[in-house]
Amino acid sequence: AQKVTQAQTEISVVEKEDVTLDCVYETRDTTYYLFWYKQPPSGELVFLIRRNSFDEQNEISGRYSWNFQKSTSSFNFTITASQVVDSAVYFCALSEPIDGKLIFGQGTTLQVKP
Amino acid sequence: NAGVMQNPRHLVRRRGQEARLRCSPMKGHSHVYWYRQLPEEGLKFMVYLQKENIIDESGMPKERFSAEFPKEGPSILRIQQVVRGDSAAYFCASSQRTGVGEQYFGPGTRLTVT
Repeated sequence: AQKVTQAQTEISVVEKEDVTLDCVYETRDTTYYLFWYKQPPSGELVFLIRRNSFDEQNEISGRYSWNFQKSTSSFNFTITASQVVDSAVYFCALSEPIDGKLIFGQGTTLQVKP
Repeated sequence: NAGVMQNPRHLVRRRGQEARLRCSPMKGHSHVYWYRQLPEEGLKFMVYLQKENIIDESGMPKERFSAEFPKEGPSILRIQQVVRGDSAAYFCASSQRTGVGEQYFGPGTRLTVT
């Protein structure tokens, strides 16, 4: 069965620190997709990234970077030089190609203090 | 290019009443997913629909919950005889294609049962 684990429930950092959010997944599929979403205090879900299982290249987008390692079934997310506006709940999710439904982790609440 | 629309954004119902949540997918999207986020929890898949068809309802509670996506009009998630435990945020997402498609989320409907 598919499963996503975000072991860090809450993380608190001071502005400008780097922070890594961990995500470990389980699936028997050879083709799958991994996602990260951000849920700010306003409540909406903001799409951050999608990776497919055949693309293990790390990705960087501004202060955000993602490290995908199939060998350890992990898809970790790093925020460099964190800012107060990064404070949110971050969800990692896995989808299978057959019907596309998303399996979410429990989320990590990130608090960035000024 | 309007995003996914959900209404109402907030809905208050007394125990025993019916709740109807609406979701209009992005233009050109024919796949709709509903997710529920209980307080202090992650998001859980409820149901996946295509126009006029329920494809996967494995996450729907067996009683009182139903969903539809008619040929014309929005997708509707209906909860009959609501109970306090139904209080949650209900998110709808739409996709252009199953599996490989990104899911774009609506702002959510926050249901409060008093």
